Amino acid sequence: RKEVEQDPGPFNVPEGATVAFNCTYSNSASQSFFWYRQDCRKEPKLLMSVYSSGNEDGRFTAQLNRASQYISLLIRDSKLSDSATYLCVVNIMTGNQFYFGTGTSLTVIP
Amino acid sequence: DAEITQSPRHKITETGRQVTLACHQTWNHNNMFWYRQDLGHGLRLIHYSYGVHDTNKGEVSDGYSVSRSNTEDLPLTLESAASSQTSVYFCASSAPGLAGATGELFFGEGSRLTVL
Repeated sequence: RKEVEQDPGPFNVPEGATVAFNCTYSNSASQSFFWYRQDCRKEPKLLMSVYSSGNEDGRFTAQLNRASQYISLLIRDSKLSDSATYLCVVNIMTGNQFYFGTGTSLTVIP
Repeated sequence: DAEITQSPRHKITETGRQVTLACHQTWNHNNMFWYRQDLGHGLRLIHYSYGVHDTNKGEVSDGYSVSRSNTEDLPLTLESAASSQTSVYFCASSAPGLAGATGELFFGEGSRLTVL
């Protein structure tokens, strides 16, 4: 079983739409959670960390549900520039390693 | 500005050749990582290091080796390249984050390796 699982999509949404991605993780010892964004053929870059209380950064909201072991990312008022692959990332303290989901592809359509 | 750079950005080699991918960071981060990214697999950890002279195997370490002689560099060596090692390779570094967990990963731009 993979450490981190994501729906690969693709998600094709019109501009202005709200879209949500979910991610599940298998190791209950997971300590830190992140969403990274990766543009085509580029390196991943941190979009936001995910905290237990949930956190918001402009149009982006991240939630963590430890009981169900899933993380979500909500994007409101989608822009064309949001088109990218979104990677769910989990850090497990034991061994202190990062585990990546395969990514969810988003295309925002004019 | 601090940065992390990889070289070469593109490499074509033949089966059986030795290949070394360089990674250099000026963040002064102790933690450095090598990942490969393939369609359907996401990023998979090859090797990682928490400081000078420290190296550890990751999920897919067979056929790869690393060395850490200073803080700035973590070269990745393919001793005898195989076609299965055709991939995009990303180097990353991080500083310790809150509560001892490693913080944000900073990635290099990637090295695209083709083994013929």
